[in-house]
Amino acid sequence: SQQGEEDPQALSIQEGENATMNCSYKTSINNLQWYRQNSGRGLVHLILIRSNEREKHSGRLRVTLDTSKKSSSLLITASRAADTASYFCAFTSYNQGGKLIFGQGTELSVKP
Amino acid sequence: DAGVTQSPTHLIKTRGQQVTLRCSPKSGHDTVSWYQQALGQGPQFIFQYYEEEERQRGNFPDRFSGHQFPNYSSELNVNALLLGDSALYLCASSPVLNTEAFFGQGTRLTVV
Repeated sequence: SQQGEEDPQALSIQEGENATMNCSYKTSINNLQWYRQNSGRGLVHLILIRSNEREKHSGRLRVTLDTSKKSSSLLITASRAADTASYFCAFTSYNQGGKLIFGQGTELSVKP
Repeated sequence: DAGVTQSPTHLIKTRGQQVTLRCSPKSGHDTVSWYQQALGQGPQFIFQYYEEEERQRGNFPDRFSGHQFPNYSSELNVNALLLGDSALYLCASSPVLNTEAFFGQGTRLTVV
């Protein structure tokens, strides 16, 4: 399957702790993007990392990409209750045009 | 600058009916993609439009069709609705292929 796989499926932490979510895939990718989704609404774009990049930061978010292991991770530092949401990785692969292939998502719960 | 807008936000249809969902892309974006997200799953790619033509299509039956207008807005049509078509339908736009894709808030379709 081309679908991405995310781990863990669910994560529950206390406010102030860090949250790490992982994504694995099986094909050669062009880029990988992370999205947040609150309560089944639209997807909010967080970060895009290209296949020739290894790490990107945006505020409290850090994304890493290891193309040799075909995996990516999203780290949220100093989590807040407002970070509670589902997080999805999605990638575009070569010869597949611009379609995004999504993982199943990680459901993050941050308790105050 | 308005982001991606979708209408309607919610819709209830009867099995066998037809439905049309609408999407206006983010300003400056000419590529529009549609995704179906079943409850608890990651979004699945339906098709992508560029320059008013269907550029790429996912594994969806011909009951799913679309259109892109000269102003880059797009419609998703689903004929002969089945109960299994109940889902969140998401529209995404991007300025060019393999760049950040921005999503609308989605249309929640319920087929009864």
